[in-house]
Amino acid sequence: DAKTTQPNSMESNEEEPVHLPCNHSTISGTDYIHWYRQLPSQGPEYVIHGLTSNVNNRMASLAIAEDRKSSTLILHRATLRDAAVYYCILRIYNQGGKLIFGQGTELSVKP
Amino acid sequence: NAGVTQTPKFRVLKTGQSMTLLCAQDMNHEYMYWYRQDPGMGLRLIHYSVGEGTTAKGEVPDGYNVSRLKKQNFLLGLESAAPSQTSVYFCASQHRGGTYEQYFGPGTRLTVT
Repeated sequence: DAKTTQPNSMESNEEEPVHLPCNHSTISGTDYIHWYRQLPSQGPEYVIHGLTSNVNNRMASLAIAEDRKSSTLILHRATLRDAAVYYCILRIYNQGGKLIFGQGTELSVKP
Repeated sequence: NAGVTQTPKFRVLKTGQSMTLLCAQDMNHEYMYWYRQDPGMGLRLIHYSVGEGTTAKGEVPDGYNVSRLKKQNFLLGLESAAPSQTSVYFCASQHRGGTYEQYFGPGTRLTVT
């Protein structure tokens, strides 16, 4: 299965933008890029996903490189509630929607 | 809607005992999944199901069995628990189309002594 690489941890200040990077150099043309986050002691929750174009929703933006070998999750104004582990995941086309999680990036937000 | 619920929330087993974890969803989702999460690690897929009566193996299926007799329920069984199966277990469900967003339950914390 295609793999993703993320920094183990990142720090941010409250109310500042956060850019969380992800490398996926072995991505194939039909793999979707998904981001989930996991707050302490909770199950993961969906953040955003995309295929080729940049995507925006109420939680975040996803910027995808032109060659699709990397992507960046953008939180426009970090809040203390955004402190979580963020997972960048490739969803392989036509495999029952299964997700293969990596280690993720632990984001801490300072007041 | 309750979303995805898991029973029980906590359980302690002795080595060799068996148990079944129940996952239920009320969103009429076709796909359901069982994951485990060990301390400091990401989730690993155990088994999954793309419809009633069908199951498939994930990354770490050994030592587990599953059944999907009803669309809304997905059961995870441990026939003979081992200390290596101490973990937090998460269930998730997903609609077949649309955004492919998986909805996760709150988890079951299992300790095998």
